[in-house]
Amino acid sequence: EVQLQESGPGLVKPSQSLSLTCSVTGYSITSNYWGWIRKFPGNKMEWMGYISYSGSTSYNPSLKSRISITRDTSKNQFFLQLNSVTTEDTATYYCARYRGITGFDYWGQGVMVTVSS
Amino acid sequence: DVVLTQTPPTLSATIGQSVSISCRSSQSLLHSNGNTYLNWLLQRPGQPPQLLIYLVSRLESGVPNRFSGSGSGTDFTLKISGVEAEDLGVYYCVQSTHAPWTFGGGTKLELK
Repeated sequence: EVQLQESGPGLVKPSQSLSLTCSVTGYSITSNYWGWIRKFPGNKMEWMGYISYSGSTSYNPSLKSRISITRDTSKNQFFLQLNSVTTEDTATYYCARYRGITGFDYWGQGVMVTVSS
Repeated sequence: DVVLTQTPPTLSATIGQSVSISCRSSQSLLHSNGNTYLNWLLQRPGQPPQLLIYLVSRLESGVPNRFSGSGSGTDFTLKISGVEAEDLGVYYCVQSTHAPWTFGGGTKLELK
């Protein structure tokens, strides 16, 4: 069974970088696409970006200057780095698998990140 | 960016009632390859989102057949034929036809 698990600090100071890890079991990240999505307080959801099976990336233009998604295939993990965070980046961050036909079909449990001094 | 407008924002239902949620797109979601990449997700309280429907009307494996999706172009509908208690939560439509991929604002289904 495909399982994803996010990990990382729950509190980040403004202007610093947010770094999260998504650990995947039951499926290789060298297949399909692997993305980050966040849910803000309230219901708003935002797709942040993905890394593909080949290592190519695609980012939401709203974040393009601040975001980086990388991976370690030996550990079957992929990573999110978001620079220069503000309080508006406070959200629950999810990693998910994306398949071309089915879309986001497997999700991690999510990690809540608060940006506060 | 494509804007997905979900209505209603909140839906109150009794167990066994049939309900529908609308998702309207600011532009056609028909891809040049002939597919329409419009999906429906359910997020139950305290849980991550779960895929219910993909490509407008295809039921994800393991999802009860009381859920159905329909629509084309810019207008889409999720129908629940006989709400059960486990269906409560927030429903989202999401499109991946046009970059950046975008989500609707969500519809909260609650018990009346």
